[in-house]
This record gives sequence, C-alpha cells and structure tokens, in this order.
Amino acid sequence: DTEVTQTPKHLVMGMTNKKSLKCEQHMGHRAMYWYKQKAKKPPELMFVYSYEKLSINESVPSRFSPECPNSSLLNLHLHALQPEDSALYLCASSPSGGHYGYTFGSGTRLTVV
Amino acid sequence: QKEVEQNSGPLSVPEGAIASLNCTYSDRGSQSFFWYRQYSGKSPELIMFIYSNGDKEDGRFTAQLNKASQYVSLLIRDSQPSDSATYLCAVQGSGNTGKLIFGQGTTLQVKP
Repeated sequence: DTEVTQTPKHLVMGMTNKKSLKCEQHMGHRAMYWYKQKAKKPPELMFVYSYEKLSINESVPSRFSPECPNSSLLNLHLHALQPEDSALYLCASSPSGGHYGYTFGSGTRLTVV
Repeated sequence: QKEVEQNSGPLSVPEGAIASLNCTYSDRGSQSFFWYRQYSGKSPELIMFIYSNGDKEDGRFTAQLNKASQYVSLLIRDSQPSDSATYLCAVQGSGNTGKLIFGQGTTLQVKP
C-alpha cells in the first residue's frame, strides 16, 4: 500500500461547527504532516508529527487541533473556523524527516460558510 | 528574499519541445531537493528528487542541482499536453526537521 488516504474529500461547515479531517497511511512512515493550500499558492506547513509526537507547530491558530492516535493515523480537529480558513487541506507522510520527500494524500477541500 | 523562488510563469512550450523549469533557494545548508507536479484541483505528486550536484535522469525528466549556485532545475523532454500542470520546487532545509519549503510553483502549458 503506497497511498495516503484522506477523508472526507469535501467538507462544508458552518463557523460554529466542530468537524475532523482524517488521514491514514500504511507505508510504515514515521513522520506525518498537515499542510494547507489556498488557490494558486504553494502548500503551507501547519504541523509535523514525528514518531507520533508533535514536533513542529507553525504558529497555527488553536481552532485547528492535530492529533496522532497511532503511527498510521493523523487527525485534524476543526472548531470555530473562519471563512478565510477555506482551503485544500493536505496530509502527507514520509519515512522519517523529509529526506526522501513526502507522499501526499488527495486532500480535503474545506469550505467554511 | 524568499526561501525558495520560482518563476510563476506561465511557461508555454509546443508539444515535443524541452521545457526548462528553474528554482533557486537561500539556505546553503539545504540537503534534499524535490520536484512535485500538481494538476489543477489535485494534490502534489513527487516526480523527481536529487541530493547530489549534477544531473539525475528518470525517463523524460532530468533534475539538475548546483549547490554552489543554489540552483535546481527540471528539464522535461518531448513535452506532452498531459505535462501541463504546476510544478513545485521543494527544498528540505538544514537540520532534520522534516520540513519541506515549497516555491510558488511554475505553471507549464504544453500546446499541441
């Protein structure tokens, strides 16, 4: 299995809702990442988990809360988002560090209304 | 100065031509360099990586790295309309943080 699976593919949520994005990989990768990508912009790093521990938080607002329940799963919990948070949210994984590049999931297209 | 710089394009080439995409980076300690292809509405796909100075070839793709000049390039030979996409240059900086820094991307259009 050489895939990173993200669910849901599309999500529309109100500003008072709570929702979660899910990411799963079975490649034995020990580093997992959340990126945010706005239209016509490059991906921006949000969080890095290394060996199931949060190693980088790029000063992301607390309305985004990551969780890594085990080495295969990564969640992003969303609460009280703003319309400007609408974007493509990408999960990625790598064997360790970023030396071999990432494998990206197909992303979750999030719209906040 | 941006950490990773690319010309946003669009770069337009005729079918069958060589497309040349360029990228410069600011961190001299950078160790690993990647090219991702991203089709509109899709996620980035890794197509090439290079660690050492010189050229690396994979099919129609050649990555070139010059650490002294802090320059990475991607050549696409025999360009096809299906190569039309945004190409993202990504650099792993010094230190083993796992963080990749992406350039703004270059949009390539291959015209039949």
